[in-house]
Amino acid sequence: SQQGEEDPQALSIQEGENATMNCSYKTSINNLQWYRQNSGRGLVHLILIRSNEREKHSGRLRVTLDTSKKSSSLLITASRAADTASYFCATDGLRWGSNYQLIWGAGTKLIIKP
Amino acid sequence: EAQVTQNPRYLITVTGKKLTVTCSQNMNHEYMSWYRQDPGLGLRQIYYSMNVEVTDKGDVPEGYKVSRKEKRNFPLILESPSPNQTSLYFCASSRGGEQYFGPGTRLTVT
Repeated sequence: SQQGEEDPQALSIQEGENATMNCSYKTSINNLQWYRQNSGRGLVHLILIRSNEREKHSGRLRVTLDTSKKSSSLLITASRAADTASYFCATDGLRWGSNYQLIWGAGTKLIIKP
Repeated sequence: EAQVTQNPRYLITVTGKKLTVTCSQNMNHEYMSWYRQDPGLGLRQIYYSMNVEVTDKGDVPEGYKVSRKEKRNFPLILESPSPNQTSLYFCASSRGGEQYFGPGTRLTVT
């Protein structure tokens, strides 16, 4: 079952611009994670934000979480060609009692044009 | 180097011919999981394991089996593959929170 839904499904921007992707989910969560997947390869963890956090930074990445709206956004600043990838959000559910089980969105495909 | 390995990376097989995709992790993680990824559907969980000898079904377990006899290994078994199991498969491990993914196995069943 899919809990997270990313928006937009695809995003194409010029190198150097900022890219913003959004994720919405349905049930209460312990935390929300963002992953990157380069074409056909394994997913790589980017950042985890806990339900009691509102914003988190990691290098050029900024993640926000609004639990009242059940949504999160991932901002990539000063985009580079190497940022071209698909980005997925994943949430756990309080009903599982742990943060092992993740529910995944369908992803946003980001293309950075040189 | 901490990693999750999968083998084979690519496999083309015929309907009904049993196959096993291996997965191994060297991080001493208790939790391991198998996913399949299909265009437009994101990642769907097939089976997961919370520890040795403890496995449970995910969202799409039909047609698959798993075993967890050792902590580091979590093979995925397709007893009688069918064309609708053509997909990209990922193994992942975790100690809670962040999941570490293998490089993927692209399976084609003709």
